[in-house]
Amino acid sequence: SQTIHQWPATLVQPVGSPLSLECTVEGTSNPNLYWYRQAAGRGLQLLFYSVGIGQISSEVPQNLSASRPQDRQFILSSKKLLLSDSGFYLCAWRNIGTGENYGYTFGSGTRLTVV
Amino acid sequence: DAKTTQPPSMDCAEGRAANLPCNHSTISGNEYVYWYRQIHSQGPQYIIHGLKNNETNEMASLIITEDRKSSTLILPHATLRDTAVYYCIVSSGYSTLTFGKGTMLLVSP
Repeated sequence: SQTIHQWPATLVQPVGSPLSLECTVEGTSNPNLYWYRQAAGRGLQLLFYSVGIGQISSEVPQNLSASRPQDRQFILSSKKLLLSDSGFYLCAWRNIGTGENYGYTFGSGTRLTVV
Repeated sequence: DAKTTQPPSMDCAEGRAANLPCNHSTISGNEYVYWYRQIHSQGPQYIIHGLKNNETNEMASLIITEDRKSSTLILPHATLRDTAVYYCIVSSGYSTLTFGKGTMLLVSP
């Protein structure tokens, strides 16, 4: 069966420090991968998505970047965190199958607090 | 902007059916209606989706009007664990999902 792993679950980082959040998917190949962020009391905002290795689409300009070094690995990074980067970061995957439209499967999320 | 309109909150008594409405008057012919829910501090969970016909699975039923401009998610016997924010989303099979503010469903004893 397919599973999605995100870590760490919680993270407290000082302003100006770097960030690396990792997401891996098991049990599927060539998934579409997504990074969402949910700021406190707000809705989910799509940050990045990827349809294949090395292919990254950015939805909003920001202090973050994403990379997909392997088929089932998606990484969210920042060189210098801002206070406004605090939030709940969620990774998701989806298989675009022929003749069917599959829903997204989300990971358990990383709660990032920038202090 | 999200393409759907949902009430911000709803209440339901435990054991009763919860009927969550969603308006999507600008839905395109190739767009599906998806429902997700998010329990506090967790990632969203897929519930159900449909194109034209009504759909049912082990979690819920989805009723889509004939003109496809609105739909209703039905939880037949709500439990306290169904308390969550419910999101109605319209999307084609290959585009990304845009989440709106959803409906906060509170199930009470």
